[in-house]
Amino acid sequence: DVKVTQSSRYLVKRTGEKVFLECVQDMDHENMFWYRQDPGLGLRLIYFSYDVKMKEKGDIPEGYSVSREKKERFSLILESASTNQTSMYLCASSFVDSYNEQFFGPGTRLTVL
Amino acid sequence: DQQVKQNSPSLSVQEGRISILNCDYTNSMFDYFLWYKKYPAEGPTFLISISSIKDKNEDGRFTVFLNKSAKHLSLHIVPSQPGDSAVYFCAASMNRDDKIIFGKGTRLHILP
Repeated sequence: DVKVTQSSRYLVKRTGEKVFLECVQDMDHENMFWYRQDPGLGLRLIYFSYDVKMKEKGDIPEGYSVSREKKERFSLILESASTNQTSMYLCASSFVDSYNEQFFGPGTRLTVL
Repeated sequence: DQQVKQNSPSLSVQEGRISILNCDYTNSMFDYFLWYKKYPAEGPTFLISISSIKDKNEDGRFTVFLNKSAKHLSLHIVPSQPGDSAVYFCAASMNRDDKIIFGKGTRLHILP
């Protein structure tokens, strides 16, 4: 059974804190993605990675960075959390030849106070 | 500037009837389209896709229709079942290996 796991389901942080969201997949997928989901805005791509140590900006990368040191793990970092980063964060992964058919984790609901 | 539009935020359908979810797109370069389904507290799951060289793709109770001239696609679910109650996201990309642009989603309620 394929699996994408995210380190926390719920997280509450304070403005200015550094926040790490972790994602692990066990499917040996080359591609990994971070999205955020907001009411009325759907899913928006923050960053993606197609290989270890490789990263590409998505549509809304401002205020975020990522790290991919191992194939199975992709981290999203909020360097200095702000209230407008309160959101549902979704990690996904896929094979290199089926980019679009992504497998998603359960999501992390982050609240920044 | 929304390239993938789902104009109905929600839809209610009687169990056993047909559910039709609609999606419009503006970018004529899109040639691969997908539908994802999302339950509360879970990540989206891939449901069905269609390439622009086709106008229909069927998988069990789910059929996706593509009208390229109208830049419109629709997802038909027949017959609708209670477990189909979820949020459905339409998505598009310029090819099978390009990033996906998602719509805002439509919440489908299947009524008993």
